[in-house]
Amino acid sequence: ETGVTQTPRHLVMGMTNKKSLKCEQHLGHNAMYWYKQSAKKPLELMFVYNFKEQTENNSVPSRFSPECPNSSHLFLHLHTLQPEDSALYLCASSQADRLGNQPQHFGDGTRLSIL
Amino acid sequence: GENVEQHPSTLSVQEGDSAVIKCTYSDSASNYFPWYKQELGKRPQLIIDIRSNVGEKKDQRIAVTLNKTAKHFSLHITETQPEDSAVYFCAASPYNTDKLIFGTGTRLQVFP
Repeated sequence: ETGVTQTPRHLVMGMTNKKSLKCEQHLGHNAMYWYKQSAKKPLELMFVYNFKEQTENNSVPSRFSPECPNSSHLFLHLHTLQPEDSALYLCASSQADRLGNQPQHFGDGTRLSIL
Repeated sequence: GENVEQHPSTLSVQEGDSAVIKCTYSDSASNYFPWYKQELGKRPQLIIDIRSNVGEKKDQRIAVTLNKTAKHFSLHITETQPEDSAVYFCAASPYNTDKLIFGTGTRLQVFP
């Protein structure tokens, strides 16, 4: 399945670097999500965008800055990250429905390592 | 806030046996419950889901049951195969939101 594409697949960066993660969905969905997946922890929801509008910011530190220019693209801008930010960052999309949610489809993720 | 608890954290079964994973949720208004399978190094993939107006759903060897009164739902895998080995996540969607609250995952190992 190539419905949700994330780049890069792997990223190693120093704490003072600035980088961006990219996500693109080809499923015609109206909602996009960023999750953080760390070892032995549940998937942590970071941000939700519905029709390009941010509807959820789950108390994420300001060193993570999302951007959603349209319903098909989602970015996560990274700046002065900490070692504990090393994790797998997953993007997902869905055709969100306020009456009852629809399945979320995930990308392969970006494995981020902070030196 | 909303919370989903998942048990067990690890589960080992012999090929051909059944496996059951259980989740409980805190928000009684939750109305959508998907299950995801994540193989090592791969993306989480939806394997089955159920909505609050249904008590049970089955798809070949996989079934999900929902008890709204008790606020718990379970994944049942019958006739397990080695390729069923993976981490399984349950999730619940609070009513009138576009987000999922995930459980902590169950690592299932099926031994041949």
